[in-house]
Amino acid sequence: DTAVSQTPKYLVTQMGNDKSIKCEQNLGHDTMYWYKQDSKKFLKIMFSYNNKELIINETVPNRFSPKSPDKAHLNLHINSLELGDSAVYFCASSQVGPPSSYNSPLHFGNGTRLTVT
Amino acid sequence: DQQVKQNSPSLSVQEGRISILNCDYTNSMFDYFLWYKKYPAEGPTFLISISSIKDKNEDGRFTVFLNKSAKHLSLHIVPSQPGDSAVYFCAASHLHYSNYQLIWGAGTKLIIKP
Repeated sequence: DTAVSQTPKYLVTQMGNDKSIKCEQNLGHDTMYWYKQDSKKFLKIMFSYNNKELIINETVPNRFSPKSPDKAHLNLHINSLELGDSAVYFCASSQVGPPSSYNSPLHFGNGTRLTVT
Repeated sequence: DQQVKQNSPSLSVQEGRISILNCDYTNSMFDYFLWYKKYPAEGPTFLISISSIKDKNEDGRFTVFLNKSAKHLSLHIVPSQPGDSAVYFCAASHLHYSNYQLIWGAGTKLIIKP
């Protein structure tokens, strides 16, 4: 019973396509996130949702759109994929936002490796 | 603009010895620091944290030290075990600077030799 699960694990697609990555958490957490790990291995936050409301929208292209149908799910839709979108995308959740307190660490999924050809 | 730096991409340590992972930061506004551990093909998992009001926090074999004047923190693992082989990420945050969102280092790959 995985706490934060995201699918698919691998995604290979061509430039210009539209794709989605799904994320679900069964921890009862209030806040969910999408992170991108780039080629230099830095983890950078893309979006954060608290109780289905977007509370952070960092500077990402508007081709990326998060969708949260309920508190336990946060999906990531990507339109018109570009080569530079190739990366590992991590979903995460925390009990309450923000995610930095001792009692509210981030729980990550296992990542989705997106390769755009 | 790397505000959190882990200058050692990798570190190799003999099993049973002490592992010391280092992290430097540039923004003096950071007031909370965390370490996460990541195995291949998995997401990072929370390991230990420290608030800027402290200079040391200990949890079993893991101890984090914070030197605010040097803007430096370190993670000590004693004794090192084979299961400690992983990538370790340092992260920092501050309410007013980053709305408590985490700013991450690039990670240090720790290899524990048997």
